[in-house]
Amino acid sequence: DTGVSQDPRHKITKRGQNVTFRCDPISEHNRLYWYRQTLGQGPEFLTYFQNEAQLEKSRLLSDRFSAERPKGSFSTLEIQRTEQGDSAMYLCASSKSPGQANGYTFGSGTRLTVV
Amino acid sequence: DQQVKQNSPSLSVQEGRISILNCDYTNSMFDYFLWYKKYPAEGPTFLISISSIKDKNEDGRFTVFLNKSAKHLSLHIVPSQPGDSAVYFCAASGGGSQGNLIFGKGTKLSVKP
Repeated sequence: DTGVSQDPRHKITKRGQNVTFRCDPISEHNRLYWYRQTLGQGPEFLTYFQNEAQLEKSRLLSDRFSAERPKGSFSTLEIQRTEQGDSAMYLCASSKSPGQANGYTFGSGTRLTVV
Repeated sequence: DQQVKQNSPSLSVQEGRISILNCDYTNSMFDYFLWYKKYPAEGPTFLISISSIKDKNEDGRFTVFLNKSAKHLSLHIVPSQPGDSAVYFCAASGGGSQGNLIFGKGTKLSVKP
């Protein structure tokens, strides 16, 4: 297993455009998480899935953001009508339920720049 | 309102000496605490965790201490090596959420040869 894979690694988009990121978790992990990290801050929780069910969403996840995990495997995070404030590193992580003791395995992230 | 705080943005130590990274929290409902290490352009890597019912956990050169009465935890790295230079994040789980890790802002550790 190659760990958590995220695609693309970098994305530059113009304000107002839609973007979609993909995350492939470790295959035997049933939980998948999305976080966002901006400069000088720690990762901030956005949402998580257990299998295909989205169980929790942060208030940071505005209505322009939507995440899916249709078959309980890979996940996508879409941002509609991007704004400059969306510029950040978007991190995906996975774990076996519940996962706290052994930590979550993070991917290398997708760096989004909105110009 | 920050529930997990790392008040030192940076720390510099000499190779071979001890590195001590500190973390404070406010929510007494947290049930696990974790430390992550992050190199530039990579995602955070899990280092070590501790349950709220314990006061110490050790793994090789890394030891985490938890003081629940003070709502404080620390990560000790002994001996420090240049390859330990990275940003270290303290994180906590529980506190009313089932799936959410709450991170501090991180401490940048520099280990000088």
